[in-house]
Amino acid sequence: DAGVIQSPRHEVTEMGQEVTLRCKPISGHNSLFWYRQTMMRGLELLIYFNNNVPIDDSGMPEDRFSAKMPNASFSTLKIQPSEPRDSAVYFCASRYAINEAFFGQGTRLTVV
Amino acid sequence: AQSVSQHNHHVILSEAASLELGCNYSYGGTVNLFWYVQYPGQHLQLLLKYFSGDPLVKGIKGFEAEFIKSKFSFNLRKPSVQWSDTAEYFCAVNSNDYKLSFGAGTTVTVRA
Repeated sequence: DAGVIQSPRHEVTEMGQEVTLRCKPISGHNSLFWYRQTMMRGLELLIYFNNNVPIDDSGMPEDRFSAKMPNASFSTLKIQPSEPRDSAVYFCASRYAINEAFFGQGTRLTVV
Repeated sequence: AQSVSQHNHHVILSEAASLELGCNYSYGGTVNLFWYVQYPGQHLQLLLKYFSGDPLVKGIKGFEAEFIKSKFSFNLRKPSVQWSDTAEYFCAVNSNDYKLSFGAGTTVTVRA
């Protein structure tokens, strides 16, 4: 298996633009997590899905953020409109049941 | 709500020194515990995990951790560090609702 695949690896966008981050979990995994990592706040859990259903989105900072998981092999995290304070590395992770989570390489987002 | 506390923000030590990183969690139910490592510019990777059984868990690269239920702790140790252990270390807790929460991380710098 190629592991958790995230795209793009890097994204630079202008303030106000829509940004979509993508994640392909490991086949067979039934939980998917989106995290945001910054120097100031460390690793924050934004939302997680179990069997494609969002379980807890209390970490989503505000309504500008939304996440979907239309099927077991794909998830998106969308920011609209983007702001400079959204600049961070966004990680997707997946796992089966309550086993260890496997992380993707991350998307480094820069909003200018 | 569960939370994870890592006591040290930044640890600096010399090669061959011993390392111990503290981790405490707040959750009264059954937990699964993890330590992850993030090397500079990379994604998080699993070092070790505890689900049940022997509270002293051995992981990769000579790391071990001890689960002390009465203290809600899961401290990470390595008897003799190497320069290549320079990284950020994260403690994580999984609870019954499938939520995987991370501590703020501890940056470890090993000087040659």
